[in-house]
Amino acid sequence: QKEVEQDPGPLSVPEGAIVSLNCTYSNSAFQYFMWYRQYSRKGPELLMYTYSSGNKEDGRFTAQVDKSSKYISLFIRDSQPSDSATYLCAMSARNSGYSTLTFGKGTMLLVSP
Amino acid sequence: GAGVSQSPSNKVTEKGKDVELRCDPISGHTALYWYRQSLGQGLEFLIYFQGNSAPDKSGLPSDRFSAERTGGSVSTLTIQRTQQEDSAVYLCASSLQDSYEQYFGPGTRLTVT
Repeated sequence: QKEVEQDPGPLSVPEGAIVSLNCTYSNSAFQYFMWYRQYSRKGPELLMYTYSSGNKEDGRFTAQVDKSSKYISLFIRDSQPSDSATYLCAMSARNSGYSTLTFGKGTMLLVSP
Repeated sequence: GAGVSQSPSNKVTEKGKDVELRCDPISGHTALYWYRQSLGQGLEFLIYFQGNSAPDKSGLPSDRFSAERTGGSVSTLTIQRTQQEDSAVYLCASSLQDSYEQYFGPGTRLTVT
């Protein structure tokens, strides 16, 4: 079993839809959870990060962590064609003062106008 | 301000040749990471630098891979005797010490023919 599982998609939605992207993980030591957005032929860009369980909102984006279920989600409200990208979840357990990130494989999102 | 830069953006090489990939981190970022992203795979951690030292080289896939960092800034990833399975996008990221916010460069797309 991979440490982090993420459905590769593609996930196709119409403009304006609410999008739900998810990851599951197996390592209970993970405490820091991040979502990156990666456009084609670009490097990943940090969207949001959360510590431990709970919700965090930033504009149209909401990140949710459920440590009891080892499940994290990213919700995108009022999705736009410009949101079309691959979304990568990433996680880290505190280790010797630095943070090696463990990534999911990414979910490709396509938002059609 | 300037982000993480990487060069070259694309590199095509023949099997058996050596290649050098360069990363210029964000000024003031003491931590530097190298990752590899293969088609259909997630980001795979290769090596971490804090300053000029590399306390974690655990992700380097073989002894053909090496990396160095000089002056606490620029880093070079060297792959000797390249193989076709080395074809991937090599991503560099930097962060402030002990920060979970890693900022990625655009990557170097390596193709071994």
